[in-house]
Amino acid sequence: SQTIHQWPATLVQPVGSPLSLECTVEGTSNPNLYWYRQAAGRGLQLLFYSVGIGQISSEVPQNLSASRPQDRQFILSSKKLLLSDSGFYLCAWSAAVLNTEAFFGQGTRLTVV
Amino acid sequence: GNSVTQMEGPVTLSEEAFLTINCTYTATGYPSLFWYVQYPGEGLQLLLKATKADDKGSNKGFEATYRKETTSFHLEKGSVQVSDSAVYFCASGNKLTFGGGTRVLVKP
Repeated sequence: SQTIHQWPATLVQPVGSPLSLECTVEGTSNPNLYWYRQAAGRGLQLLFYSVGIGQISSEVPQNLSASRPQDRQFILSSKKLLLSDSGFYLCAWSAAVLNTEAFFGQGTRLTVV
Repeated sequence: GNSVTQMEGPVTLSEEAFLTINCTYTATGYPSLFWYVQYPGEGLQLLLKATKADDKGSNKGFEATYRKETTSFHLEKGSVQVSDSAVYFCASGNKLTFGGGTRVLVKP
């Protein structure tokens, strides 16, 4: 069966520090991968999605970047965090077909102080 | 582009009450539609889905019917429990566009 791992679960970082969140998927090949952000009390905003190694689409301009160095690995990064980067970050995967459901990791609670 | 609109919460109910959460979508074509549930501090779990018009998705006593004519996918449950307290998200189609989420609180 497929599983998705996301870490760390919680993170407190100072303003201006770098960020690296990692997500890996097991049990499937060539998945579509997604990073979402959920601000406190709000909905989910799609940040990045990827349909293959090295292929990243950015949905909104921001202080963050994403990379996919391996088929089942998706990394969310920042060189310098801002206070506004605080939130709940969720990684997800879906099969490489249209109109199918996505499966989510447990999320990372990021607090920038 | 695609968009999903769902009723704002919080929705507060007593145990065994009837729950409805409205969801409407705009999209090109006929996207699949989904309801996800998020329990406190956790990621999202798929609750149910429908892939074409008039399909009814159901799970754990929840139901939603894909209504093409009204572009809606309202979530319903006939008798809620305290354990149903969570945030519910409606989502559609490719790249999963989400609604804003509806917090549901069920009181004993």
